[in-house]
Amino acid sequence: GAVVSQHPSRVICKSGTSVKIECRSLDFQATTMFWYRQFPKQSLMLMATSNEGSKATYEQGVEKDKFLINHASLTLSTLTVTSAHPEDSSFYICSAFTIERGGSYEQYFGPGTRLTVT
Amino acid sequence: AQSVAQPEDQVNVAEGNPLTVKCTYSVSGNPYLFWYVQYPNRGLQFLLKYITGDNLVKGSYGFEAEFNKSQTSFHLKKPSALVSDSALYFCAVRDSFYGNNRLAFGKGNQVVVIP
Repeated sequence: GAVVSQHPSRVICKSGTSVKIECRSLDFQATTMFWYRQFPKQSLMLMATSNEGSKATYEQGVEKDKFLINHASLTLSTLTVTSAHPEDSSFYICSAFTIERGGSYEQYFGPGTRLTVT
Repeated sequence: AQSVAQPEDQVNVAEGNPLTVKCTYSVSGNPYLFWYVQYPNRGLQFLLKYITGDNLVKGSYGFEAEFNKSQTSFHLKKPSALVSDSALYFCAVRDSFYGNNRLAFGKGNQVVVIP
């Protein structure tokens, strides 16, 4: 099946610094990429939806200036957490959406990135 | 709007016993339904989906789910649970209307299989 990678898998940074997380679709082109945030033993919270070459659409309550999303190509989207604070510590998961031959909608998930802000 | 309810927080089952994880959904159009499993500090692994056709869907690792339109349910089942099935399980739904590409997730169910 299709593979979505995330890098890094785990990152620790100091408060006030910025961290970039990459999400790549390895063997397919993603028309849309989603970014989720997950707190321990809780569900995935959709943060934003990004389409290649256009601005991301953020969910209500998500600060667009803090969580910068760039979708530069059909295989790469990045999430930058700017001026990170300890409350930004979380598990971030990306997902790539594609319409496959036959017209089926498929969504594939990355392995996640554990961000810890000290 | 599309939504999913997973009524139980945790499901405990003895190894070898049948496992059921409940899910009900709400959509405007026809539902596309999914089950995912998540192990600690890992991403979501796809188990199975219902798009159309047979109401009983078979998926990975011996799991299956039954789509029940009248009860708006899509419960996940496994005839004989393994200790390795202990994980967090998410039900998700996508409404079928044109242009909708967003999944709505349930809160998740922690499954604990007791040896």
